[in-house]
Amino acid sequence: KAGVTQTPRYLIKTRGQQVTLSCSPISGHRSVSWYQQTPGQGLQFLFEYFSETQRNKGNFPGRFSGRQFSNSRSEMNVSTLELGDSALYLCASSVGPADTEAFFGQGTRLTVV
Amino acid sequence: GIQVEQSPPDLILQEGANSTLRCNFSDSVNNLQWFHQNPWGQLINLFYIPSGTKQNGRLSATTVATERYSLLYISSSQTTDSGVYFCAGGATNKLIFGTGTLLAVQP
Repeated sequence: KAGVTQTPRYLIKTRGQQVTLSCSPISGHRSVSWYQQTPGQGLQFLFEYFSETQRNKGNFPGRFSGRQFSNSRSEMNVSTLELGDSALYLCASSVGPADTEAFFGQGTRLTVV
Repeated sequence: GIQVEQSPPDLILQEGANSTLRCNFSDSVNNLQWFHQNPWGQLINLFYIPSGTKQNGRLSATTVATERYSLLYISSSQTTDSGVYFCAGGATNKLIFGTGTLLAVQP
């Protein structure tokens, strides 16, 4: 059974641009969550989608948004990139809610220059 | 919100030694997971352990939910065990991560 797939693995963007990251969950998993990892703030929850609905959102500005498609694949978008958005973005999939057993993808490493 | 504390923050071991990593949470959580972050950044599932004890080879974990802590035991450590270990508590539809334990196993 395939694991969680995130694309792309690496991205370099300039300030002010926008970026879209993609996550395909494990087959049969309906919940997709996104986390940001930085050296200063650690791993922080961004948002969770379940059956195409955002059920929970972390404390991030509105520049961070996401969506989930009918096949459970999810995308997150960051607009007007700032240097501080440089981070490892991790996607997790779960059968049930995001606070149940989660499985993570390899992450997308975003660098904003 | 719920806080998750991990200790120690750093640990250096000689190959073959045993170690115990601890995770304390400030309030009740629905479940607890332990992860090992590989050098490429992926979080590898070690244990999903809301309560009780589980073992997987040289690793074992114990969660005492009533006292709001979990322990990860690594026995006969190997250099491949090096990396960052995270615990995460599940609550309010998200995982809340600790700050991690950086483990270095020297040959």
